[in-house]
Amino acid sequence: EDQVTQSPEALRLQEGESSSLNCSYTVSGLRGLFWYRQDPGKGPEFLFTLYSAGEEKEKERLKATLTKKESFLHITAPKPEDSATYLCAVGMYSGGGADGLTFGKGTHLIIQP
Amino acid sequence: NAGVTQTPKFRVLKTGQSMTLLCAQDMNHEYMYWYRQDPGMGLRLIHYSVGEGTTAKGEVPDGYNVSRLKKQNFLLGLESAAPSQTSVYFCASSVDRVNTEAFFGQGTRLTVV
Repeated sequence: EDQVTQSPEALRLQEGESSSLNCSYTVSGLRGLFWYRQDPGKGPEFLFTLYSAGEEKEKERLKATLTKKESFLHITAPKPEDSATYLCAVGMYSGGGADGLTFGKGTHLIIQP
Repeated sequence: NAGVTQTPKFRVLKTGQSMTLLCAQDMNHEYMYWYRQDPGMGLRLIHYSVGEGTTAKGEVPDGYNVSRLKKQNFLLGLESAAPSQTSVYFCASSVDRVNTEAFFGQGTRLTVV
């Protein structure tokens, strides 16, 4: 069974204090690893898709990396507006159709001014 | 460009009542999904559709039915609501199979009393 585990569950940082969020996964065959950002009362907002080990993608202060067993979301010099819950997901595909995404429980990130 | 729109945004039901949640997307996406999000559980797939006139079960389909009569709309029905169905429901759509980003709606907060 595909599983996605995110750590830590919550993280509080000072503005400018860089850190990393972890997403470990066990899947029979990776069909894409996704990072989303979710603000309170809103739907998840897409950030990145990674497909193969060694792949990296960047967007502003965020950088996502992928190995064979885990992905990291690095946050460099974060600002208070980066505060959100960050969700990791892996693609499910049984061969019969679009089976959707398996999500982790998320990391709740708070950036203090 | 509205993206994915969910109706209603909030609803309170009594146990045993029925209701339908509507999801509309204007991006001409083939694939649509319904998820539920519960504290400590993450997002879980209820049902999905790979095109007009098709539906399939996800991880937690019991107690729900869906229909996709038009490509742009995906309806989620609760025939006899139970307190266990209290949750936040998210609709999502994607261009093709799961290896591309999914766009999410703003969510419907449903409380069953």
